[in-house]
Amino acid sequence: AQSVSQHNHHVILSEAASLELGCNYSYGGTVNLFWYVQYPGQHLQLLLKYFSGDPLVKGIKGFEAEFIKSKFSFNLRKPSVQWSDTAEYFCAVVGSGGGADGLTFGKGTHLIIQP
Amino acid sequence: DAGITQSPRHKVTETGTPVTLRCHQTENHRYMYWYRQDPGHGLRLIHYSYGVKDTDKGEVSDGYSVSRSKTEDFLLTLESATSSQTSVYFCAISGAAGGTDTQYFGPGTRLTVL
Repeated sequence: AQSVSQHNHHVILSEAASLELGCNYSYGGTVNLFWYVQYPGQHLQLLLKYFSGDPLVKGIKGFEAEFIKSKFSFNLRKPSVQWSDTAEYFCAVVGSGGGADGLTFGKGTHLIIQP
Repeated sequence: DAGITQSPRHKVTETGTPVTLRCHQTENHRYMYWYRQDPGHGLRLIHYSYGVKDTDKGEVSDGYSVSRSKTEDFLLTLESATSSQTSVYFCAISGAAGGTDTQYFGPGTRLTVL
């Protein structure tokens, strides 16, 4: 069975600090990978995704993620965070074989940015 | 934002009562999903649909049933609600199979079972 592990459940940073959130997955095949963000009281929004090609993907709001196949990782990064980045971040994986399966999510990382 | 609405947005009910949550989309997408979100668990798949009248179980399907009689509507039913089903429920849609396209999420329904 596939699984996703997010190493940090709670992260507190100051504004302008650099961010890296870890995500590792377990899956017996090729995968597509996603990072979603959930701002307080809102629904999930897509930050970025990786299907194929360049393993360094850029998303919205200055976020990027790097897919390292050998490490089964898809870490999220941002060079300088803002107070408005306070949110819950979810890594998700799905097999890329074209089935109708839903996403498998990690448990999420609650990020708090202090002004 | 994708055209997804969920109703009701908030509901409080009592143990043992039936509850139906509705997801409505205006994107004409073939694939629809129901997830529940619980603290410390992230989101977990309940059921999904790959077409009208075509549905299948997800990771946490016990106690839930679904129906899809029209492309635009995907209903989630709790036949006899229990306190363990207190959660936030999200619907998602996708234009292609989950592995080949992005899933877009609705605003969620907060369900409390007393």
